[in-house]
Amino acid sequence: KAGVTQTPRYLIKTRGQQVTLSCSPISGHRSVSWYQQTPGQGLQFLFEYFSETQRNKGNFPGRFSGRQFSNSRSEMNVSTLELGDSALYLCASSLDRDEQFFGPGTRLTVL
Amino acid sequence: AQSVTQLDSQVPVFEEAPVELRCNYSSSVSVYLFWYVQYPNQGLQLLLKYLSGSTLVKGINGFEAEFNKSQTSFHLRKPSVHISDTAEYFCAVMRGRYNFNKFYFGSGTKLNVKP
Repeated sequence: KAGVTQTPRYLIKTRGQQVTLSCSPISGHRSVSWYQQTPGQGLQFLFEYFSETQRNKGNFPGRFSGRQFSNSRSEMNVSTLELGDSALYLCASSLDRDEQFFGPGTRLTVL
Repeated sequence: AQSVTQLDSQVPVFEEAPVELRCNYSSSVSVYLFWYVQYPNQGLQLLLKYLSGSTLVKGINGFEAEFNKSQTSFHLRKPSVHISDTAEYFCAVMRGRYNFNKFYFGSGTKLNVKP
């Protein structure tokens, strides 16, 4: 069974731009969660989607948004990028309320 | 508020020695506990989880952890480590099974296994 895939793996943007990251969950998984990982703040929960609905949200500004499609694939968007948005963005999928399987992440660098 | 504390940011250990990575959490409600491992430039891989039942949980690669409710701890142990265990380990807490997969992670412990 294929694992969680994230595209792109690496991304370089400049301040003020916007970016869209993509996550394809494991087949059959309906829950997709997003996390931001930085050396200073560690792993922080961004949001979770289940059946195209956002079920839970972390404490991030409105510049961070996401959505989920009917095939459970999810996208995360960050608008008006700031230097502090440089991070590894991890996506995780699960059947529901159980073990989360993580993708390899997208490393975003903001210059 | 929910918090997870990993007391050691780095743990150096010699190969074949035992190791314990400490994790404490704070919560006024029931929790579900996880340990994940992250190798360089990779995502997180689940080592083990505690949802209910026996407080001693066995995971992959010879790791085990014990849930101690009175001490609010979930320490990870391995009796004999290998060079390949060098990685960063994260303790995670989910506050009840109805918190919709919202995990709180500790700050991580880097395990460095020396030959």
